[in-house]
Amino acid sequence: LAKTTQPISMDSYEGQEVNITCSHNNIATNDYITWYQQFPSQGPRFIIQGYKTKVTNEVASLFIPADRKSSTLSLPRVSLSDTAVYYCLVGDRNTDKLIFGTGTRLQVFP
Amino acid sequence: DADVTQTPRNRITKTGKRIMLECSQTKGHDRMYWYRQDPGLGLRLIYYSFDVKDINKGEISDGYSVSRQAQAKFSLSLESAIPNQTALYFCATSRGTGRDTEAFFGQGTRLTVV
Repeated sequence: LAKTTQPISMDSYEGQEVNITCSHNNIATNDYITWYQQFPSQGPRFIIQGYKTKVTNEVASLFIPADRKSSTLSLPRVSLSDTAVYYCLVGDRNTDKLIFGTGTRLQVFP
Repeated sequence: DADVTQTPRNRITKTGKRIMLECSQTKGHDRMYWYRQDPGLGLRLIYYSFDVKDINKGEISDGYSVSRQAQAKFSLSLESAIPNQTALYFCATSRGTGRDTEAFFGQGTRLTVV
């Protein structure tokens, strides 16, 4: 199971782009990278998933370099409502048991 | 109605009591999970089940047991509750294979052991 490392916390201001990087040096060939968002006292919510290069949806973009040893979640023009904890998970979609870790606490200021 | 429903939402119990937390889902997913979250910390996996006949220990299973009564139901039991089991508990489900393997979480159960 690939271990992930991400910053404990980040601060930003409304309207800025936020990039959260996750390191996963031991990622395996079959592993995908998935990001979740969690607000206080709520369960995590899926944001985005990718395998390589770039994935974009209506909420975020996920950048994965060719060696796949890291990934970056990009949140464009954050607002106060993006204040949350963001988790990076790495695992085989068919066998992974969803280990979450401690995540990155993003605080957005006015 | 929520896709993943946890009952109760809040519970206060005494040390030594047996308590069951229930989770039901309407997603039709095979995989179900139980997590606990302590204040300011991430989620820790307690047990997970990839189908009705499959039960696996997670990161912190001591003091807990589970039952997968049906595809849609996965219960977590604390046989003899202790104060350090006070936490927010989440149930989750996922399809598990192929595309669209995202997990869906319940609203959480806030458990206090006094």
